[in-house]
Amino acid sequence: RKEVEQDPGPFNVPEGATVAFNCTYSNSASQSFFWYRQDCRKEPKLLMSVYSSGNEDGRFTAQLNRASQYISLLIRDSKLSDSATYLCVVTSVSGNTPLVFGKGTRLSVIA
Amino acid sequence: DGGITQSPKYLFRKEGQNVTLSCEQNLNHDAMYWYRQDPGQGLRLIYYSQIVNDFQKGDIAEGYSVSREKKESFPLTVTSAQKNPTAFYLCASKQEYAEAFFGQGTRLTVV
Repeated sequence: RKEVEQDPGPFNVPEGATVAFNCTYSNSASQSFFWYRQDCRKEPKLLMSVYSSGNEDGRFTAQLNRASQYISLLIRDSKLSDSATYLCVVTSVSGNTPLVFGKGTRLSVIA
Repeated sequence: DGGITQSPKYLFRKEGQNVTLSCEQNLNHDAMYWYRQDPGQGLRLIYYSQIVNDFQKGDIAEGYSVSREKKESFPLTVTSAQKNPTAFYLCASKQEYAEAFFGQGTRLTVV
């Protein structure tokens, strides 16, 4: 089983739609979880951290389920500018051990 | 402004040549990382350093070398032993348990 797995997509959704991505991780001792956004030919940028209690930032909501070892990202009222690849990122036990990236889920929001 | 800077943005390498990619950060982060990304693929870890004068191999270290003589700097050398070096190279830094910040990347092409 791969360390971090994501559905590669693509997810093609109309503007205004709600879309959800899931990501599963294999290391039960993982401590920190993030969603990054990567635009074509650019570096990844932090979208949001994922906390145990879940967190929301505007149209974006992230959830963590430690028992089932997955994290989720919900995007409401999709905009054209949300089109990108969304990367699920997990860190292991020690604080500065490397981030482990999923391969990303591609989202295309269509007018 | 604090940040992480990679240079050059584009680099062309001849067969059999060594090239060095620069990565500098002024965020006072202890940990720095090098990742490689191939088209349509996820990020793969090449090397990482958790502290000055120390570094560890990642998943695909063969054909690469690094140094960490200063906290701010973590250069990556792509040696002639790396048979397929054409890729997008990303440098990142982070503090313990926090998110990683990325440089803008170096696109390396073998000519």
